[in-house]
Amino acid sequence: KAGVTQTPRYLIKTRGQQVTLSCSPISGHRSVSWYQQTPGQGLQFLFEYFSETQRNKGNFPGRFSGRQFSNSRSEMNVSTLELGDSALYLCASSLGRGAKLGSDNEQFFGPGTRLTVL
Amino acid sequence: AQSVTQLGSHVSVSEGALVLLRCNYSSSVPPYLFWYVQYPNQGLQLLLKYTSAATLVKGINGFEAEFKKSETSFHLTKPSAHMSDAAEYFCAVSGQSGYSTLTFGKGTMLLVSP
Repeated sequence: KAGVTQTPRYLIKTRGQQVTLSCSPISGHRSVSWYQQTPGQGLQFLFEYFSETQRNKGNFPGRFSGRQFSNSRSEMNVSTLELGDSALYLCASSLGRGAKLGSDNEQFFGPGTRLTVL
Repeated sequence: AQSVTQLGSHVSVSEGALVLLRCNYSSSVPPYLFWYVQYPNQGLQLLLKYTSAATLVKGINGFEAEFKKSETSFHLTKPSAHMSDAAEYFCAVSGQSGYSTLTFGKGTMLLVSP
């Protein structure tokens, strides 16, 4: 079974631009979560999608948005990029059965997209 | 509300020595607890998880962790470090009654010297 894939793996943008990152979950997984990883703040939860609906959201400004398609693939968009948006963006998929992470519903992470904002 | 504290941003051990990475959690609901490992330029890989069954949890690569409710701890151990264990380790918590989100600690970089 193929793992979680994220594209692109590396991205360089300039301030003010916008960017779209893509995540393809493991086949059969319906929940996709996004995390931002930076040296200063560590891993922070952005949002989670399940069956095309945002089910939970972290504490990020509205410039960060996402969506999920009917095939469970997800995209996240960052508009008006700032230098502080430079980070590794990780996507994780899970079965999403019920709403709880547990013995049959663990999250599998992709390799991430490294975004650099100049 | 949930939070995780990992004591020590860096831990150095010699090859063959005991590995102990500390994690304390705070959760208003019974927690699920996880340890992940991240190698350079890679995503996170699950090492082990506590989901309210046995308090001593065994994971991959010889790692194990013990859930201690009275100490709100979930420390990660390995009896004998290997060079290939050098990586960053993250402890995470998820509420049993919450959504599919993880709250992570800041991470601990494990350095293994020959």
